[in-house]
Amino acid sequence: KNEVEQSPQNLTAQEGEFITINCSYSVGISALHWLQQHPGGGIVSLFMLSSGKKKHGRLIATINIQEKHSSLHITASHPRDSAVYICAVRGSQGGSEKLVFGKGTKLTVNP
Amino acid sequence: EAQVTQNPRYLITVTGKKLTVTCSQNMNHEYMSWYRQDPGLGLRQIYYSMNVEVTDKGDVPEGYKVSRKEKRNFPLILESPSPNQTSLYFCASSLTGPARGYTFGSGTRLTVV
Repeated sequence: KNEVEQSPQNLTAQEGEFITINCSYSVGISALHWLQQHPGGGIVSLFMLSSGKKKHGRLIATINIQEKHSSLHITASHPRDSAVYICAVRGSQGGSEKLVFGKGTKLTVNP
Repeated sequence: EAQVTQNPRYLITVTGKKLTVTCSQNMNHEYMSWYRQDPGLGLRQIYYSMNVEVTDKGDVPEGYKVSRKEKRNFPLILESPSPNQTSLYFCASSLTGPARGYTFGSGTRLTVV
């Protein structure tokens, strides 16, 4: 079993829909990151979470440390949101700087 | 502009011919790291560095070397590339400390024939 599991693997939505992408992890963590990878391949860091909730524009990320689960929500989705969304966790072992990644969720938003 | 610069963007090489992929950042970040991305496997960490002269292995370090002689540069060296190192490679950097995000380079697509 992978340390970081994302669901769904693929997601197709219509423009304007509310999107939720889930990430579950099995190890203790010091932080969780959400990344966005566009079709051109570039990767952008969206959020870094250690607790609670963060919001940036139409994107909201939440984390529940007790349940080892995080969600990324996109409100009023738009075709330009089409990308692969990747969850990554940084371990909590003392001084650990290793990042472990989920396999990504490919989101397609149709006009 | 704050950025991580990787070179080259694309590289086709032959088995056994030593190569270096360069990574440079202009943000005075202490932390730098290399990843490879493969279909079905996702991103995996190769090596990382917490500061100058400090490097450590990630999950897939075999066949790779790194060095951190200056804060801004973190080259990835393949001494004897093999076809199983054909992949998309990313370099990233960040500040150290708990509240940091990562800045990624644009990626290097390497093909070893």
